[in-house]
Amino acid sequence: GAVVSQHPSWVICKSGTSVKIECRSLDFQATTMFWYRQFPKQSLMLMATSNEGSKATYEQGVEKDKFLINHASLTLSTLTVTSAHPEDSSFYICSARPDSNQPQHFGDGTRLSIL
Amino acid sequence: KQEVTQIPAALSVPEGENLVLNCSFTDSAIYNLQWFRQDPGKGLTSLLLIQSSQREQTSGRLNASLDKSSGRSTLYIAASQPGDSATYLCAVRVPGGGADGLTFGKGTHLIIQP
Repeated sequence: GAVVSQHPSWVICKSGTSVKIECRSLDFQATTMFWYRQFPKQSLMLMATSNEGSKATYEQGVEKDKFLINHASLTLSTLTVTSAHPEDSSFYICSARPDSNQPQHFGDGTRLSIL
Repeated sequence: KQEVTQIPAALSVPEGENLVLNCSFTDSAIYNLQWFRQDPGKGLTSLLLIQSSQREQTSGRLNASLDKSSGRSTLYIAASQPGDSATYLCAVRVPGGGADGLTFGKGTHLIIQP
């Protein structure tokens, strides 16, 4: 149980393109989903916390207008990287949590490469 | 601000050895601590979750301990196997607030030599 699916797993696109990444909880409802970013040889860094039906809470230094998060249902959150540039190339990974007393379950991540 | 440090950054040992991975955190006011495994280019697999009130958790050949007051956790792997080769991440959850994601260390890259 507790499976989180992330799509796509890998995307390459040109600079200036907007890219949408989906995170789905397949067998549970997630009131909260989290988006992390991992640069090579660095730790995972929390970007934002997404609560169903409300605005996402962004970590300091993360541009909310560049990284649009939508959590429209209890099983789906999306992250859109708008007007992506090479410096946005990274490994993006989401997690979902059934409730505040449960651990987070992670997706397999999305490797984003901006040319 | 919570900071998580993992030592060593990399470790290579022969198959069969027992080994210990270390994790330290600066703020002892944690909700829980979790150990993950990450294979190259993949997501995270949760190994063990220790609540702040607990001292240790065990799963198979893995044992994780937590000393919250000193800000330390260890992951003990018994009788290591080549399939244990991966990056091991330690993460803590700080209580309270709506934005309570995990704070991760940089990980220990483990290689088990056949």
